[in-house]
Amino acid sequence: DAKTTQPPSMDCAEGRAANLPCNHSTISGNEYVYWYRQIHSQGPQYIIHGLKNNETNEMASLIITEDRKSSTLILPHATLRDTAVYYCIVRVPYNTDKLIFGTGTRLQVFP
Amino acid sequence: DAGVIQSPRHEVTEMGQEVTLRCKPISGHDYLFWYRQTMMRGLELLIYFNNNVPIDDSGMPEDRFSAKMPNASFSTLKIQPSEPRDSAVYFCASSTYPDRYGYTFGSGTRLTVV
Repeated sequence: DAKTTQPPSMDCAEGRAANLPCNHSTISGNEYVYWYRQIHSQGPQYIIHGLKNNETNEMASLIITEDRKSSTLILPHATLRDTAVYYCIVRVPYNTDKLIFGTGTRLQVFP
Repeated sequence: DAGVIQSPRHEVTEMGQEVTLRCKPISGHDYLFWYRQTMMRGLELLIYFNNNVPIDDSGMPEDRFSAKMPNASFSTLKIQPSEPRDSAVYFCASSTYPDRYGYTFGSGTRLTVV
């Protein structure tokens, strides 16, 4: 059973903010929201994760709703190099809880 | 740090041949994972190790697949005999426990079985 739902594809103009949504209505109290991305022909790359507070790092921001049933990954100034498939995954941060990838959102950044 | 290193980057082999894929994890990471990616099935977890010990191999498709981790700096995924349906990109990843900083993936090995 899929734990997350993401739109299959999105477009974004270069220089604009890319807002990628994710629904995870069945998330449990100890599960975190993780985001990875996969640029064509490369291995997946970790972006960010969070539990309930909003998080920011050098790559992106993660906004989690108060009820934790959905979240948004924000790339503040998208570039062409941000074109990739973005995966939203919910899990506990222990390796016994496997990192399972869904189908993700294919983000196309255009000039 | 050079990251997770996989070899070879590309492998083309004939059906029935043995194939060995190699992975060097990041030093200090005590978890190692093997994934397979195809267009039809996406990214699938095949097996993972903790401190060189296989923990969960439930994703290994069949007995033709085997994985070993003889030491903390080296792992292999072997397919014997190989079949055309094994054609895929195979990724290795490593992490610490707990994985506060996510998994680090290698660049993958693209396997083509003809």
